[in-house]
Amino acid sequence: DAGITQSPRHKVTETGTPVTLRCHQTENHRYMYWYRQDPGHGLRLIHYSYGVKDTDKGEVSDGYSVSRSKTEDFLLTLESATSSQTSVYFCAIRNPRDFPTDTQYFGPGTRLTVL
Amino acid sequence: AQTVTQSQPEMSVQEAETVTLSCTYDTSESDYYLFWYKQPPSRQMILVIRQEAYKQQNATENRFSVNFQKAAKSFSLKISDSQLGDAAMYFCALQGAQKLVFGQGTRLTINP
Repeated sequence: DAGITQSPRHKVTETGTPVTLRCHQTENHRYMYWYRQDPGHGLRLIHYSYGVKDTDKGEVSDGYSVSRSKTEDFLLTLESATSSQTSVYFCAIRNPRDFPTDTQYFGPGTRLTVL
Repeated sequence: AQTVTQSQPEMSVQEAETVTLSCTYDTSESDYYLFWYKQPPSRQMILVIRQEAYKQQNATENRFSVNFQKAAKSFSLKISDSQLGDAAMYFCALQGAQKLVFGQGTRLTINP
């Protein structure tokens, strides 16, 4: 158990509304990640964080923003949700104690449906 | 750029038999790590096994082992004595500097 929770676990929203997903970890890991999972694509990186207020873009960052004001929380925001953002969203942490591989461990996922 | 390819969208195996899932990758980095993750119907991503690219010895974890062919950029997963609980999506992943890249996944079905 990597001590990662995500909220909400399921959400249905309408096109054009803002949505915020929360990832919470209990072990003070420095690196946190947001991925989306779509059929035929595996998991793709949206944004990641390497410390409080330090974030960077991943491969599919358009339409998403993130914030990290505390070590334990990493928020993913869809400013104006679109149907193409219907997906399953996973948060992950990188565990530096798994040296040297720094293995990533995943939260339970959030299923988001944009109507 | 890093890429990971899983060419088998679906595989099936009889319970207690052995199955091998294929994965090929491409990277220009010299230091990297390879992983297999399992995703059962619960949707949770579970680490199965990992391999450091600088190690020649293939990783093993109980019934799970890999065949790592660095020159061929191949990283296959062998599951021995397949069990019903092994039914899941399996993802191959490559980690270079900072980022983890996934393949498209292979859905494994176990036939009783």
